[in-house]
Amino acid sequence: GENVEQHPSTLSVQEGDSAVIKCTYSDSASNYFPWYKQELGKGPQLIIDIRSNVGEKKDQRIAVTLNKTAKHFSLHITETQPEDSAVYFCAASETSYDKVIFGPGTSLSVIP
Amino acid sequence: KAGVTQTPRYLIKTRGQQVTLSCSPISGHRSVSWYQQTPGQGLQFLFEYFSETQRNKGNFPGRFSGRQFSNSRSEMNVSTLELGDSALYLCASSLAGGPEVDQYFGPGTRLTVT
Repeated sequence: GENVEQHPSTLSVQEGDSAVIKCTYSDSASNYFPWYKQELGKGPQLIIDIRSNVGEKKDQRIAVTLNKTAKHFSLHITETQPEDSAVYFCAASETSYDKVIFGPGTSLSVIP
Repeated sequence: KAGVTQTPRYLIKTRGQQVTLSCSPISGHRSVSWYQQTPGQGLQFLFEYFSETQRNKGNFPGRFSGRQFSNSRSEMNVSTLELGDSALYLCASSLAGGPEVDQYFGPGTRLTVT
């Protein structure tokens, strides 16, 4: 089955700097890669996603890139703000139904 | 549009008891997935329901079960609770499923087993 790895497990950046979180997946059949942000006491919130027919997608300060050949995908947050502090999860979806496999998460701290 | 709601938000049970958790998906969403979140194991997929049918199941023992009603609301049940079942249980809904899904999560039910 699918396995998703995520690095780093913790990340601390200064406000205004960029943050990059990297993930790898094992199942070459996976074709949907969402990213979630989870704040303390809340459920994960979908922040951006990318499909296998797209190499890069951007939404304001957030961008995601996908390299299907290497089975890598990354989340880039520019001009970080204290409210970006949260745990971020990458995930990959198998080709059938709604089974989404999550990475272990990255705890991002943005220092004012 | 109302989000995914889960009840109760917090629950304390004793080992050996059973528990039922409820999830109401976003209006119009027909797929509901359940996840267990713990500090040690992270987010793990339990099962997914679509139109009252379980379509997919994770690697959890048979003590974990679920169902979905005709209005897409879903319940999950855990029987013979163990201390290790203490976790945040999250449900997520999406429109119809398939390989490209946008899942929206509820706030979760925090289950503590003593």
